Amino acid sequence: DAGVTQSPTHLIKTRGQQVTLRCSPKSGHDTVSWYQQALGQGPQFIFQYYEEEERQRGNFPDRFSGHQFPNYSSELNVNALLLGDSALYLCASSLRQHTEAFFGQGTRLTVV
Amino acid sequence: AQTVTQSQPEMSVQEAETVTLSCTYDTSENNYYLFWYKQPPSRQMILVIRQEAYKQQNATENRFSVNFQKAAKSFSLKISDSQLGDTAMYFCAFMNYNQGGKLIFGQGTELSVKP
Repeated sequence: DAGVTQSPTHLIKTRGQQVTLRCSPKSGHDTVSWYQQALGQGPQFIFQYYEEEERQRGNFPDRFSGHQFPNYSSELNVNALLLGDSALYLCASSLRQHTEAFFGQGTRLTVV
Repeated sequence: AQTVTQSQPEMSVQEAETVTLSCTYDTSENNYYLFWYKQPPSRQMILVIRQEAYKQQNATENRFSVNFQKAAKSFSLKISDSQLGDTAMYFCAFMNYNQGGKLIFGQGTELSVKP
């Protein structure tokens, strides 16, 4: 049983560019949440997708957007990248919204 | 707004000994969950233990147990018989039942287990 998979594992982008990160949830899970983890910090909640809609959102600007597909996989898009967007981006999946969340290994984004 | 505070940035323990990691949180909600997650150098966040706020009994998972003090809003993690593989960042996290799936994390405690 594959767990949560994220791609790519590492990414380097230039300031001002756009980036798309991808997440496939654990088999049987229908809810995907995204987190940003800056170096030496705890993860910060970006948003959550359930039934292909954004259900909750953290304190992140509109440059951060997402999508969930019918197969429950999800994308995180970040426009107009800033140096401060450099971080580890974690995807977590769960069955419905109240159950245990399983995390992927993350995508390390570096903005130069 | 809920907040989670871990006041110990770093801790170390000798192999086979016991260590306790501290966590406090602030909320006005009554129905919530608390978690301890482990993040090894591989970066993947792994659930260690979970506590439902309505349960008075402290959760236990093998060598891991918690001391949940609801009135004091305290949620500490005790690791018994520490092993080298326990070396990792440990994060305390809060989830409001009405905001299912949205985890609020503390700043983390870096635990080193020494041989």
